[in-house]
Amino acid sequence: GENVEQHPSTLSVQEGDSAVIKCTYSDSASNYFPWYKQELGKGPQLIIDIRSNVGEKKDQRIAVTLNKTAKHFSLHITETQPEDSAVYFCAASRDRYSSASKIIFGSGTRLSIRP
Amino acid sequence: DADVTQTPRNRITKTGKRIMLECSQTKGHDRMYWYRQDPGLGLRLIYYSFDVKDINKGEISDGYSVSRQAQAKFSLSLESAIPNQTALYFCATSDFGDRHNEQFFGPGTRLTVL
Repeated sequence: GENVEQHPSTLSVQEGDSAVIKCTYSDSASNYFPWYKQELGKGPQLIIDIRSNVGEKKDQRIAVTLNKTAKHFSLHITETQPEDSAVYFCAASRDRYSSASKIIFGSGTRLSIRP
Repeated sequence: DADVTQTPRNRITKTGKRIMLECSQTKGHDRMYWYRQDPGLGLRLIYYSFDVKDINKGEISDGYSVSRQAQAKFSLSLESAIPNQTALYFCATSDFGDRHNEQFFGPGTRLTVL
């Protein structure tokens, strides 16, 4: 079945440095790739997403890149701050009009920002 | 997200007991989901419902059942709880009108089965 692999499982970076989380997906029909952030004691929340017809998308300090040929996508956080400490999930899905519009999540990355 | 609420937030129970986790939403979304979160395994889909008359199994439905009582309510039951069902459970919703099914998660229920 469909699978999304996410690395690393834990990541610790110095405040101000950059953090990169990488994911690969198996379903070649996937065309939408969201990233969710889960803060302590809360449910995951969408922070950024990218569609298959776009190679890169930025929103302030976060950016996502997509390589459809290699089935890779990544989350980049620059100038990290303490509030970036959280668990991050990548995910992949198809358009809702297809028969399989479920979202497949990666295993998560626990990001810690060192002061 | 305060628009998606889950009860209880924490529950400790014993092996063999029947447990129900409840989810309510005020977002007016048609689609509702139950996920399970385990360390190192991420979020795995247990069941999902695209409307009141539609119930579908996810990847790990064994040992669980669900009921969609109304558009706004979706409950998850463990008929006979076992220790490996100890996990963090999330309810989520999405809007049929959203092409990419953005998921709106509740705060989670931490379940411990002794």
